[in-house]
This record gives sequence, C-alpha cells and structure tokens, in this order.
Amino acid sequence: GAVVSQHPSRVICKSGTSVKIECRSLDFQATTMFWYRQFPKQSLMLMATSNEGSKATYEQGVEKDKFLINHASLTLSTLTVTSAHPEDSSFYICSARSSLTGLQETQYFGPGTRLLVL
Amino acid sequence: EDQVTQSPEALRLQEGESSSLNCSYTVSGLRGLFWYRQDPGKGPEFLFTLYSAGEEKEKERLKATLTKKESFLHITAPKPEDSATYLCAVRGNAGGTSYGKLTFGQGTILTVHP
Repeated sequence: GAVVSQHPSRVICKSGTSVKIECRSLDFQATTMFWYRQFPKQSLMLMATSNEGSKATYEQGVEKDKFLINHASLTLSTLTVTSAHPEDSSFYICSARSSLTGLQETQYFGPGTRLLVL
Repeated sequence: EDQVTQSPEALRLQEGESSSLNCSYTVSGLRGLFWYRQDPGKGPEFLFTLYSAGEEKEKERLKATLTKKESFLHITAPKPEDSATYLCAVRGNAGGTSYGKLTFGQGTILTVHP
C-alpha cells in the first residue's frame, strides 16, 4: 500500500511561535494533498486541499494566513501554523491522493502530528 | 451537502462475537465510499473502497458491503487486535470536481474483549 509520512510526530512550542509540519508521500506521486485537524474523540475535519504547484483551497472558517500550506512538489506538502496559540493545540493529519491510474481515488493518511502550544 | 452517519457510536464485543457497523450516507453522485481504521494517536489506515451498490470487499475478518443508501462493515469472529475506531467516508461530485473531498462520519469505536 501507499505510504505517507509526517514530521514531526510531536511538537511542543511556546505561544506566538510558528510550527512547520511536513507531509511526504514516500512511494507514489501525489497531485493532491489534504490537511485535517482532529480533536479528541471527534472525527477528522478538513482544513484545506492543496494541489502541486497551485494555491491551497481552504475550508470555510479556516484562516489561510494562520495555516500556511505549500505543496512544493508531487511528494511534499507543508503546513505552517503561524503565531500559534493554545487553542491551536490539536492532532494534525495529512493525506495524499496518488496521481497514478488505479490509485487515484484512494486517499492515504499520514501518522499525524500532535501539536501542543503552551 | 454530502452527509455520513455512522452507528453505533460505540460497540463492545466479546472475542469471536460477530457483528456489523453501519454507515448511512447521502451524496451527490457517489464517487467512492471508503472505510478506514484508526488506532488512538495514529492516522487512519485505509481498508476498503466501494464504488457501486452491490459491491463487496473482504480483508481477513472484515467484509464491506454497499447499497444505494448505506454501507456495512461486517466483522467476523473479531479479536482484541480489531479494537479501533472505524471511519466511513464518501466522495461525491459536489462542486463539479471529478475527485472531490472526503466527507467523514463520526466513527464507531469498537472494543473487543478477550
């Protein structure tokens, strides 16, 4: 199966600092990557969709200036949480959809990044 | 707007006690119904994709089925290691895109006791 990695797996930062999370598709090229946020005992909430080489599309209510997304290549997308505050503490999960025929419909998820803002 | 409702919210089974999880959905032009397994503190793990009513897929003790309104995830003779949250999601034609975003249900928390 397709593998998606995330780095770091956990991060603790001070309020007001910025944090960058990397998402990589290891064995396939991903034309589209997605960023989700998940609160305890809740389902995944889509934050934004990014296509390689173009601007990300943000879901309603998600601040694009606070959550910066860069999809620089077919295997790498980054999410930067700018000026983080305690309410940004959450579990962030990326997902990638393959550009290869036959795999294109399925989204594969990374292991997630636990962010704690003090 | 696409909607997904999963039931029950939580299910406790004894090892070997077979059961089913339900996923009811409404979608504008189904382009895939997906089942994922999620362990605590980890990202969802892909299980199945179903595309049309009547389709069935199996993997070990799991079997997924699909009708025009719902999908079932049947678990046969479950083991404690099957304990996890099972997520159902749909992708539709909303927005006119060929490959739209996934809409997730709230999940079913499955606990299998030895």
